[in-house]
Amino acid sequence: GAVVSQHPSRVICKSGTSVKIECRSLDFQATTMFWYRQFPKQSLMLMATSNEGSKATYEQGVEKDKFLINHASLTLSTLTVTSAHPEDSSFYICSARDGAGGGTDTQYFGPGTRLTVL
Amino acid sequence: AQTVTQSQPEMSVQEAETVTLSCTYDTSESDYYLFWYKQPPSRQMILVIRQEAYKQQNATENRFSVNFQKAAKSFSLKISDSQLGDAAMYFCAYRSAEEPNFGNEKLTFGTGTRLTIIP
Repeated sequence: GAVVSQHPSRVICKSGTSVKIECRSLDFQATTMFWYRQFPKQSLMLMATSNEGSKATYEQGVEKDKFLINHASLTLSTLTVTSAHPEDSSFYICSARDGAGGGTDTQYFGPGTRLTVL
Repeated sequence: AQTVTQSQPEMSVQEAETVTLSCTYDTSESDYYLFWYKQPPSRQMILVIRQEAYKQQNATENRFSVNFQKAAKSFSLKISDSQLGDAAMYFCAYRSAEEPNFGNEKLTFGTGTRLTIIP
């Protein structure tokens, strides 16, 4: 199957700093990427949907100015957590969908990034 | 809005035995997709199986099969000949396939079932 990578896998930062997480589709073009957040022992919560070349669509309750998403190419989307605080500590997962939409495409998930804000 | 419910927070099964994980969903749509994803301790989400709602035939992938009951809005996962590597968190997920959402479908996940394999 298709491979999605995330970098970094772990990051520890001080409160008030910004952190950028990269999500790449390695062997396919992804017009749409999704960013999820997962708290310990909980399900995945969709934060935003990212389309190449356009603004991301954020889910209700997700601050777009705090979680900046850039989908600059068909293989790369970035999530920047601005002015991070301890409550932003979580596991962030991206997924990428192969194909331009439709029934045959599948979402492939990255390995996740664990963010710890001190 | 669609909802996905997994009523079994934890399940355990003896190695080589069969286990069934439950999932129900609520939707007013007639065209959609259902998925089972596995999340092992590595936290990497892995697609186990998918089902198109318009197909009456239940999907199967080797030891994994589903029992899709559209009228009952039920989508259970059966794992046969359970192996130690099957130990993971299993998430049921729903995705719309209807316009106008067709181009940007998002997955709605259940709360997950933690499966333990007993050697």
